[in-house]
Amino acid sequence: DTAVSQTPKYLVTQMGNDKSIKCEQNLGHDTMYWYKQDSKKFLKIMFSYNNKELIINETVPNRFSPKSPDKAHLNLHINSLELGDSAVYFCASSPPKSGTGGAKQYFGPGTRLTVT
Amino acid sequence: SQQGEEDPQALSIQEGENATMNCSYKTSINNLQWYRQNSGRGLVHLILIRSNEREKHSGRLRVTLDTSKKSSSLLITASRAADTASYFCATDEYTGRRALTFGSGTRLQVQP
Repeated sequence: DTAVSQTPKYLVTQMGNDKSIKCEQNLGHDTMYWYKQDSKKFLKIMFSYNNKELIINETVPNRFSPKSPDKAHLNLHINSLELGDSAVYFCASSPPKSGTGGAKQYFGPGTRLTVT
Repeated sequence: SQQGEEDPQALSIQEGENATMNCSYKTSINNLQWYRQNSGRGLVHLILIRSNEREKHSGRLRVTLDTSKKSSSLLITASRAADTASYFCATDEYTGRRALTFGSGTRLQVQP
């Protein structure tokens, strides 16, 4: 009954490799996100998809490419991994906003990526 | 850009004491949210306060919001060892972009 799940939980890889992280939510939400948390615990939005459509694309190297095959899935593919990509990547989802109020977000457990 | 600055960065208290964390932000907001992150885990939503609200309670949590000062505080009363975690404020900005901007977090250690 996991709400937002990510795989893998840990990913150790060498520089230059290409890797993917998968995310799935079973909450019926229409918006999904990828966040990056660095070693200082600072959390920053990378991408956001609403109904499979990209709506936020922050200043992220184009080596990072999100893909949303359907509303319940948002995957993150990273090409040519660099040492600086080492971080914890969190997937999140949220229901539609109502009125002027925002919606709370539901986070996955995170994927710890280590690039050596 | 980093929206929120949290203060203090780290806080260590004894069980039973109250813990207060502060958050400042820069832009106009729809609402402000607080999240908890246990070590090695994802973030968990605690409470949401809208821009037209000044105070909100949820169990042992009390959140205040001062939009004139662009600041918020989270008070945890009668803390427990299980409250040990990092706490983040996050703003839902008035631009309508559907993503939260997080503060830098406060690491709370509650000693049993």
